[in-house]
Amino acid sequence: EAGVTQSPTHLIKTRGQQATLRCSPISGHTSVYWYQQALGLGLQFLLWYDEGEERNRGNFPPRFSGRQFPNYSSELNVNALELEDSALYLCASSLVRLAGGPGEQYFGPGTRLTVT
Amino acid sequence: GIQVEQSPPDLILQEGANSTLRCNFSDSVNNLQWFHQNPWGQLINLFYIPSGTKQNGRLSATTVATERYSLLYISSSQTTDSGVYFCAVDDSGSARQLTFGSGTQLTVLP
Repeated sequence: EAGVTQSPTHLIKTRGQQATLRCSPISGHTSVYWYQQALGLGLQFLLWYDEGEERNRGNFPPRFSGRQFPNYSSELNVNALELEDSALYLCASSLVRLAGGPGEQYFGPGTRLTVT
Repeated sequence: GIQVEQSPPDLILQEGANSTLRCNFSDSVNNLQWFHQNPWGQLINLFYIPSGTKQNGRLSATTVATERYSLLYISSSQTTDSGVYFCAVDDSGSARQLTFGSGTQLTVLP
């Protein structure tokens, strides 16, 4: 069974540009999560999508946005890029549990974004 | 929000040694996961363990939810065990966000 996939592996952008990162969840998983791992800041939660809707958002400005498509894949868009947006962006997916509790999250290999 | 503390921050071992990594959290949790981050940045799932004890080969984990801590045991360590180990928790069933600790950097020397 294929795991979570992300593209591109690396992305180099200039300050002020927009970046689009993509994620495909494990087959059967409906929830997709985005996390940022910036140097010195650790792993921080960005966004959670489930059934096409944004369900939760971390402490990030509105220029971080995304969407989830009908096939449950997801895009993360970062507008007006700043130097401090340089980071590893990790996508995860999970199965929604019938009992309502949080399911185990599985992570993709990440996209390394460099803003110059 | 919930606080997650991992200790020790750094650990250097000789191959074959055993180790214990600790994760303390400040509130009750619905989900607790242990990960190993490989040199390329991918998080590898080790355990999903909101409570109880699990074992997988040389690795085992125990979470004592009532006392708000979890332990990851690595026995007979190998050089391939090197890397950063993260503990992450979800304290709200509706919010579904993982809060990560700052990690333990493990180096296993040959």
